[in-house]
Amino acid sequence: DAMVIQNPRYQVTQFGKPVTLSCSQTLNHNVMYWYQQKSSQAPKLLFHYYDKDFNNEADTPDNFQSRRPNTSFCFLDIRSPGLGDAAMYLCATSRQRGEQFFGPGTRLTVL
Amino acid sequence: GNSVTQMEGPVTLSEEAFLTINCTYTATGYPSLFWYVQYPGEGLQLLLKATKADDKGSNKGFEATYRKETTSFHLEKGSVQVSDSAVYFCALVGGTSYDKVIFGPGTSLSVIP
Repeated sequence: DAMVIQNPRYQVTQFGKPVTLSCSQTLNHNVMYWYQQKSSQAPKLLFHYYDKDFNNEADTPDNFQSRRPNTSFCFLDIRSPGLGDAAMYLCATSRQRGEQFFGPGTRLTVL
Repeated sequence: GNSVTQMEGPVTLSEEAFLTINCTYTATGYPSLFWYVQYPGEGLQLLLKATKADDKGSNKGFEATYRKETTSFHLEKGSVQVSDSAVYFCALVGGTSYDKVIFGPGTSLSVIP
């Protein structure tokens, strides 16, 4: 089945220790998104790629960066995680203006 | 800009009760409207969608009708089950936000036996 896969499902890191979350898709969608979600609040968009074009939200902290080496993969890098970065991170894909398909999420814990 | 408003939760219902979760939106143009559901510890799943006025989306016994005159997309189910306990997000794409989903704040639903 075509899907969005996120690894790992649970990630524990230490304060200030860089961490990378990964997302892959078999849907061949050209748009990929990273969201941060805290405590069942609405997901907050961090950035998205339209093909190779990177689009950063204005209020996304500089601590968060992303890479998309090819159509199928996208990575979220958190350079120096703080306690406030503990959250669920959701990857999603879409075909242009269509509905978004979400992965299961990675729950990040910062000790 | 575009926005989505949902009724405040949490909502607690007994099994087999009727469910309505209100959703209204503000958008220019003709957005597409969605309901997403998030079960505990999981990502968001698309529940149903409607892409133009008067369209009715339906799935798993849930329904919502795109009402342009009242800018609403209320979610309904005639008889809820314990397994419907989740957080429900109303959302839109389009108008002035071509590729971004604008989410409502979410409504937590608990169904008790």
